[in-house]
Amino acid sequence: EVQLVQSGGGLVQPGGSLRLSCIASGFTFSSYWMTWVRQAPGKGLEWVANINEDGSEKHYVDSVKGRFTISRDSAKNSLYLQMSSLRAEDMAVYYCARDSGSYRYFDYWGQGTLVTVSS
Amino acid sequence: DIQMTQSPSTLSASVGDRVTITCRASQSISNWLAWYQHKTGKAPKLMIYKASSLESGVPSRFSGSGSGTEFTLTISSLQPDDFATYYCQQYYVSPVTFGGGTKVDIK
Repeated sequence: EVQLVQSGGGLVQPGGSLRLSCIASGFTFSSYWMTWVRQAPGKGLEWVANINEDGSEKHYVDSVKGRFTISRDSAKNSLYLQMSSLRAEDMAVYYCARDSGSYRYFDYWGQGTLVTVSS
Repeated sequence: DIQMTQSPSTLSASVGDRVTITCRASQSISNWLAWYQHKTGKAPKLMIYKASSLESGVPSRFSGSGSGTEFTLTISSLQPDDFATYYCQQYYVSPVTFGGGTKVDIK
């Protein structure tokens, strides 16, 4: 059974940093692109970043470029999102998701983790 | 970026109703469209991909159609478990983008 289990959310002050984690199981982690998607309060889903199978290719939404870093550790079957210089508008539930094969839709999602940015 | 517009934003319906949700793309995306069901506090669930392909395990009362810029998600007979928010997502070009969501609630 494919599972994506997230951790690492919480309350952080504006300008602060936080690292989200997503541990994968039930599939060959190193064979899939992985993605982070977020949902701000009262808003829809927004793609944040993705990373290819070996971590050599990464892409970000413009609003987080230079502040967020996506990474992965295949030895630990883990996906990460390092977030720094956090802003109020980054407050959201963050989901990790598995890309479906060669296509950029998402067939499995984590349970989500809440990031609250507030002083 | 491609803009995805869903309508309606909220839909009130009863168990057994036929429900249709529309998703429009700001430019042609061929049939590179997915639909997700999202319930509060849970992970989104893939329902449909490639506009009309049913994801494994998804009930057959769900169907998708369309191509180019206009797409629909239809639930043929709404069941209690179907009350949720539904999102479309284009994956024709990067960055992938989502519609604003359609909340299906109880009438």
